[in-house]
Amino acid sequence: AQSVTQLGSHVSVSEGALVLLRCNYSSSVPPYLFWYVQYPNQGLQLLLKYTTGATLVKGINGFEAEFKKSETSFHLTKPSAHMSDAAEYFCAVTRIDQTGANNLFFGTGTRLTVIP
Amino acid sequence: GAGVSQSPSNKVTEKGKDVELRCDPISGHTALYWYRQRLGQGLEFLIYFQGNSAPDKSGLPSDRFSAERTGESVSTLTIQRTQQEDSAVYLCASSASSGRAFNEQFFGPGTRLTVL
Repeated sequence: AQSVTQLGSHVSVSEGALVLLRCNYSSSVPPYLFWYVQYPNQGLQLLLKYTTGATLVKGINGFEAEFKKSETSFHLTKPSAHMSDAAEYFCAVTRIDQTGANNLFFGTGTRLTVIP
Repeated sequence: GAGVSQSPSNKVTEKGKDVELRCDPISGHTALYWYRQRLGQGLEFLIYFQGNSAPDKSGLPSDRFSAERTGESVSTLTIQRTQQEDSAVYLCASSASSGRAFNEQFFGPGTRLTVL
């Protein structure tokens, strides 16, 4: 079974400060991990993903995440927050079945507020 | 090209009424997913369609929920005898399917359902 836990339903950072959104996963098989972002009144957008290979993955808008198997974590970071980063962020995990389909298991989300 | 579209964007209904939610996937995408996002909770997987295969209904919360998809096109999620706990944002996603490779899911903007 797969699941994710996101620590902190709300995170506030000052503009220009480091963004750190935490995600821990549980998976009985090697996981595929994702971060999605949801801007107000918009659909979910894939920010970045880890499938195989390099454990530090870079995504859009300057975000990156590191897969740490020993810590079962996949925390999302950005060195310098921008006002436009204010959104809700969801961590998700899945495994790929033989058809290539992947039911995503999402965390409860973290709402990021950027303070000017 | 066009993304995933959903209609209506908002639906208010009275308890006990039936509702239909529509999803138009990206053209050519063989896989289609429905998720539910209740306030303060993560997204829950509901149902998954893959081509002409039998759908995976393992996430449907009760027999009041059903979904259909015609070929590889439009899908309709039906909720019968709505209850207040059905109030949520219902999200649809579609993806290509090509064996065991990861296929990104593209999400629609969602339908916000409010049951009074």
